[in-house]
Amino acid sequence: SQQGEEDPQALSIQEGENATMNCSYKTSINNLQWYRQNSGRGLVHLILIRSNEREKHSGRLRVTLDTSKKSSSLLITASRAADTASYFCATEGNRDDKIIFGKGTRLHILP
Amino acid sequence: EPEVTQTPSHQVTQMGQEVILRCVPISNHLYFYWYRQILGQKVEFLVSFYNNEISEKSEIFDDQFSVERPDGSNFTLKIRSTKLEDSAMYFCASKGDRAGSPLHFGNGTRLTVT
Repeated sequence: SQQGEEDPQALSIQEGENATMNCSYKTSINNLQWYRQNSGRGLVHLILIRSNEREKHSGRLRVTLDTSKKSSSLLITASRAADTASYFCATEGNRDDKIIFGKGTRLHILP
Repeated sequence: EPEVTQTPSHQVTQMGQEVILRCVPISNHLYFYWYRQILGQKVEFLVSFYNNEISEKSEIFDDQFSVERPDGSNFTLKIRSTKLEDSAMYFCASKGDRAGSPLHFGNGTRLTVT
């Protein structure tokens, strides 16, 4: 399975601190994506990193990808209360139309 | 900005009944997906659909499930003979290109089987 597995499962930090979430996966991928989900809502795409990229930035988000270790990290800098949500990594393979999600990290930003 | 819309937002059904969950993907998208999420936990892939046929399906997507694109806009998931364990949030998603483009999700249908 190419399924991603995030860690930690849950993370609580103070507002203003940086939050780092990690994702590991098992098979070769075309790209890895990070999504955010607010409680009871659909997932929202945050950032996509291709297998030939090592790092990508978007606003306060920084994503890294290490294909040799089959892992990725999502860094949210200067966290805000509104960043409280669940964050999922998702992998897209080279040969199929599946996009497989991990179990997610629940991030709670404390005021 | 275009959105994926799902109806109904909540569906309650009795065990053994059939339900149809409806989705309107973004109009110029070509790839369509159904996912399931139980109690805010893992987001599970059910099926992907392209060019009017299933392109991939998971082990969860057995004969109890079927998908259809009956016209140019709707994409439906039918669950026959529902079971208690089918209770979950069901999300529809679509994307424009095969690889390297993000999924756009609807807000889901909460299915409760009693």
